[in-house]
Amino acid sequence: EIVLTQSPGTLSLSPGERATLSCRASQSVSNNYLAWYQQKPGQAPRLLIYGASSRATGIPDRFSGSGSGTDFTLTISRLEPEDFAVYYCQHYGSSPRHTFGQGTKLEIK
Amino acid sequence: EVHLVESGGVVVQPGGSLRLSCGASGFTFDDYTMHWVRQGPGKGLEWVSRISWDGGRKYYADSVKGRFTISRDNSKNSLYLQMNSLRTEDTAFYYCAKDGYGGYDYWGQGTLVTVSS
Repeated sequence: EIVLTQSPGTLSLSPGERATLSCRASQSVSNNYLAWYQQKPGQAPRLLIYGASSRATGIPDRFSGSGSGTDFTLTISRLEPEDFAVYYCQHYGSSPRHTFGQGTKLEIK
Repeated sequence: EVHLVESGGVVVQPGGSLRLSCGASGFTFDDYTMHWVRQGPGKGLEWVSRISWDGGRKYYADSVKGRFTISRDNSKNSLYLQMNSLRTEDTAFYYCAKDGYGGYDYWGQGTLVTVSS
């Protein structure tokens, strides 16, 4: 089973700044089957990125994903007030179990 | 428009059983793998189970294997999670989610299961 470790646990930034979130896998993620989700309090998660770097439908282009193998990054180029939330990475695909990382909380500084 | 609506969450005693349901609309249900994901109070997301489009393949997290059973009824556009031998650590919001081209592209709003005496 692939274990995903996200860092940092909490990231404190101001609107307009650039955010860089990391997700490291315990073994190589096949076919870059790595997704990122955003979750706000009281809401279900929302898919942002799939295939490590493809934006989901309706996701603004300030969100971008990169990486391959075991190291992946979610970048938010210029933070908007609505971007402060918790972010999770997940591996998916044909492997039996689809695990999530423990999450990174992005908070307003 | 895609809609997923979970139901069945209640307060149940340890050792008890419960069946969650997820009604789907707005897409061709029997074309897609479906998933259950849970989130304990103040905790992160935990993948629970998934079922292939035809119900032929089912997978479970180690934490629920042997206690939970996923199923679907494509004639009713519905997904289910039968939960037996419930433990306090099963207390969580349970979400159903639709498999997308990559990742899970639609989620329900969740139903709360509380396991407590």
